[in-house]
Amino acid sequence: DTQMTQSPSTLSASVGDRVTITCRANQSINNLLAWYQVKPGKAPNLLIYDASSLKRGVPSRFSGSGAGTEFTLTISSLQPDDFATYYCLQYNTYSQYNTYSPWTFGQGTTVAIK
Amino acid sequence: QVQLMESGGGVVQPGGSLRLSCATSGFTFDFYGMHWVRQAPGKGLEWVAFIHYNTNNKYYADSVKGRFTISRDNSKSTLFLQMDSLRADDTAVYYCAKDQSGYGYYLDSWGQGTLVTVSS
Repeated sequence: DTQMTQSPSTLSASVGDRVTITCRANQSINNLLAWYQVKPGKAPNLLIYDASSLKRGVPSRFSGSGAGTEFTLTISSLQPDDFATYYCLQYNTYSQYNTYSPWTFGQGTTVAIK
Repeated sequence: QVQLMESGGGVVQPGGSLRLSCATSGFTFDFYGMHWVRQAPGKGLEWVAFIHYNTNNKYYADSVKGRFTISRDNSKSTLFLQMDSLRADDTAVYYCAKDQSGYGYYLDSWGQGTLVTVSS
C-alpha cells in the first residue's frame, strides 16, 4: 500500500501570508493526488485534483504542484475563510488493478490563526 | 447540483450492526463509483470502501474487510454501508463521496456525514 506523509501537522499563519503544505508518497503515484479542505460539521471540499488542476469555482489563490512522490499545496495569500484542515489523497490504484492498492490520505494539516 | 445525504448513524453496542444509507441527487448515479470515508474523533480522514458504478467490484480498507459491506441500489440512487461486528475504534463520522469516474479515481463530492458511536 502507498503511504502518504503530510507536513506540517499544524501551522499558524496570518491573513495575507503565503502557506505551503507538503505530501510525500513512499512510492511513485505519478500525478494521482488530490487536496481537500475540511471544516468542522461541513462536507469536505475538493480543491485540487491530478496534482495541479484547480477544481472549477475554487479561488485561484489555491494551487498544487508536484509529481512522482512529492507534492505541494500553496495558498498564495491566506484569507479568513481558509482557516481549516487540509488533506492530501493519493488515488494511484489503477497500476495495481488486479493486486489492488487502496486510496490513502495524508495525516492532515490544520491551518490556524496566528 | 450534486447532493449527498447520509443517514443511519447512531449509538450501537460493541459487536452490534448498523446500516448507513446515502441518498444522492443531481447526477446520474449509475455512471459513477462511490466511496465511504470516515473520521474518528480527533483523527484524520480514513478511506473505508469503494464500489464500481455497476457493483461488479468492491474494495475495502484492511481495517473493515470482512466486517463491512458496501452496496448500492442504482434504481434508487442510494449507496449503503452494512457494518457488522462493530468495535469501539469504528466510532467516527462516516461520509459518502462520489468518485469522478465509474471505476475509481478521485473523490469529487462529499456528504456532510453521519456519526456512528460504538459504546456499551
